[in-house]
Amino acid sequence: EAGVAQSPRYKIIEKRQSVAFWCNPISGHATLYWYQQILGQGPKLLIQFQNNGVVDDSQLPKDRFSAERLKGVDSTLKIQPAKLEDSAVYLCASSLELQETQYFGPGTRLLVL
Amino acid sequence: AQSVTQPDIHITVSEGASLELRCNYSYGATPYLFWYVQSPGQGLQLLLKYFSGDTLVQGIKGFEAEFKRSQSSFNLRKPSVHWSDAAEYFCAVVPSGGYNKLIFGAGTRLAVHP
Repeated sequence: EAGVAQSPRYKIIEKRQSVAFWCNPISGHATLYWYQQILGQGPKLLIQFQNNGVVDDSQLPKDRFSAERLKGVDSTLKIQPAKLEDSAVYLCASSLELQETQYFGPGTRLLVL
Repeated sequence: AQSVTQPDIHITVSEGASLELRCNYSYGATPYLFWYVQSPGQGLQLLLKYFSGDTLVQGIKGFEAEFKRSQSSFNLRKPSVHWSDAAEYFCAVVPSGGYNKLIFGAGTRLAVHP
């Protein structure tokens, strides 16, 4: 069974630029999560989808971050404009249903200069 | 305040020695409890989880964890560490009624000496 796929694996941008990350969850998984992991910290949930609906986006900085999961399968996370403090690893995870075990992708490492 | 605390930022052990990583949580009701491992450049891998029942939980790679309600702790143990266990370990909780929202501790980085 293929795992959670993410791309790109690395991205370097300058502040005020925009960037987008892509995630393809495990086939058949209804729930998709985006986490932000700043160096030296544990991951923090940004947004959680159940199919193509948002379950929780309480910690998503909505003035600059957006995410979508239009067909209930893959998802994109966008930052516009990026700030220095957005430098982090962005992890995508998926689970079969809302209360099931989450499986994580390898992450996208973002560096904002 | 609700939190997950991993008191040890770094731990170094010798190969073959035993290991215990500490985790404490501060939530009103007992949450679901997890341990994840993250190797360099890798995603998070679930080691084990506790929802209810037997307080000693067996996981993958020879790890186990014990839930102690009186101490609000969920410590991870391994009787004999291998060099390949060097990684970062995260304790995480899903609060009761938390819609599967994982809340992570800051992590403990494990180094293994030959």
